[in-house]
Amino acid sequence: QKEVEQDPGPLSVPEGAIVSLNCTYSNSAFQYFMWYRQYSRKGPELLMYTYSSGNKEDGRFTAQVDKSSKYISLFIRDSQPSDSATYLCAMSGRGASGTSYGKLTFGQGTILTVHP
Amino acid sequence: EPEVTQTPSHQVTQMGQEVILRCVPISNHLYFYWYRQILGQKVEFLVSFYNNEISEKSEIFDDQFSVERPDGSNFTLKIRSTKLEDSAMYFCASRRGLSGDNQPQHFGDGTRLSIL
Repeated sequence: QKEVEQDPGPLSVPEGAIVSLNCTYSNSAFQYFMWYRQYSRKGPELLMYTYSSGNKEDGRFTAQVDKSSKYISLFIRDSQPSDSATYLCAMSGRGASGTSYGKLTFGQGTILTVHP
Repeated sequence: EPEVTQTPSHQVTQMGQEVILRCVPISNHLYFYWYRQILGQKVEFLVSFYNNEISEKSEIFDDQFSVERPDGSNFTLKIRSTKLEDSAMYFCASRRGLSGDNQPQHFGDGTRLSIL
């Protein structure tokens, strides 16, 4: 079983739609959960950062973490053509010694296209 | 907003040659990272660096790879004898890390390494 699984899509939606992106994971040590957006030939750009379970909202973006189900989601409301990109989930956690140097484990990335 | 900068944006090198990829992390950050992304694949962790030493490395990061922080601003990744399979995007990232682990990583736009 892969540590982090993410449906690569591609996902195509009309402008204004609500987009739901998801990742599942198997490592229960993960505690920090991130969503990055990556445009073609660019580096990952941090969108959302959450710790442990719960919801976090920032403008049109909402991140959800359900640690009991090992499942994280990113919702994009009122999607825009400029949201067209690859969305990467990433996570990190403490090692056996209790320390964390922040190594990120990424999902495959979901390619999203929002068409006008 | 401060950002991670990487140079060059594209490096073409003959197989067997040494290559150095350069990064300038965000100035008050303490943890530094290298990741790579082979075309069409996940972003993969290579190495983390803290307090002037490697804190964690992946299986990919073998004896052909080394990292260095030669001065107060630069962070480099050296590949001693490049192989065709080293062709990838290489991303540098940094995070602040002062108040515990609760700090996300910020990425540069990467160096595209092409081995001929």
